[in-house]
Amino acid sequence: GAGVSQTPSNKVTEKGKYVELRCDPISGHTALYWYRQSLGQGPEFLIYFQGTGAADDSGLPNDRFFAVRPEGSVSTLKIQRTERGDSAMYLCASRQSTGYSGGRSFETQYFGPGTRLLVL
Amino acid sequence: KQEVTQIPAALSVPEGENLVLNCSFTDSAIYNLQWFRQDPGKGLTSLLLIQSSQREQTSGRLNASLDKSSGRSTLYIAASQPGDSATYLCAVRPTGTYKYIFGTGTRLKVLA
Repeated sequence: GAGVSQTPSNKVTEKGKYVELRCDPISGHTALYWYRQSLGQGPEFLIYFQGTGAADDSGLPNDRFFAVRPEGSVSTLKIQRTERGDSAMYLCASRQSTGYSGGRSFETQYFGPGTRLLVL
Repeated sequence: KQEVTQIPAALSVPEGENLVLNCSFTDSAIYNLQWFRQDPGKGLTSLLLIQSSQREQTSGRLNASLDKSSGRSTLYIAASQPGDSATYLCAVRPTGTYKYIFGTGTRLKVLA
């Protein structure tokens, strides 16, 4: 089946502009994560959705960042008034649920290929 | 505050060698720990997930162990191959949260 997809794969914008990054999770996955990864670093948690609601947005760096998931499937990460420091790879991941049954964990995250954002 | 450290930062080994990658975390209150692989410029692929109640998980040539009380996990790769070359990341999910805290990774190169 199809994996997690992210669009665009690359985005170049100018400082101060608004950008939207899209994530299409695996069908049926109720949980969705956004991460940001800078070069040479591990992914940094931004926000977690369970269904349509943001269950944990403690990783959003400031109020310029916002994410939505209105129908519990596709999610959009929105960045207002972009700054050069926002340049990074933005990764999305989805997972089926939570818990563990019959030797199988539902916690495994499936990552998309990422959107590389460059703010000039 | 939970912090995750991975040592070494980079590792180069000849093909066929068995190797161990290390991950340490500062707070033992974790729900689970995952090991991922990341190829250059790509997203992450989950390799193994260990629940807090488990001691180890195995998949093929990979074995991951977890010692929660000492805040350590190791990823053992048997009979390494050039195709194993990638960055390996560990991540912990603290108890009572849904977020994952990642280490900075170990960049592995297996020489043919």
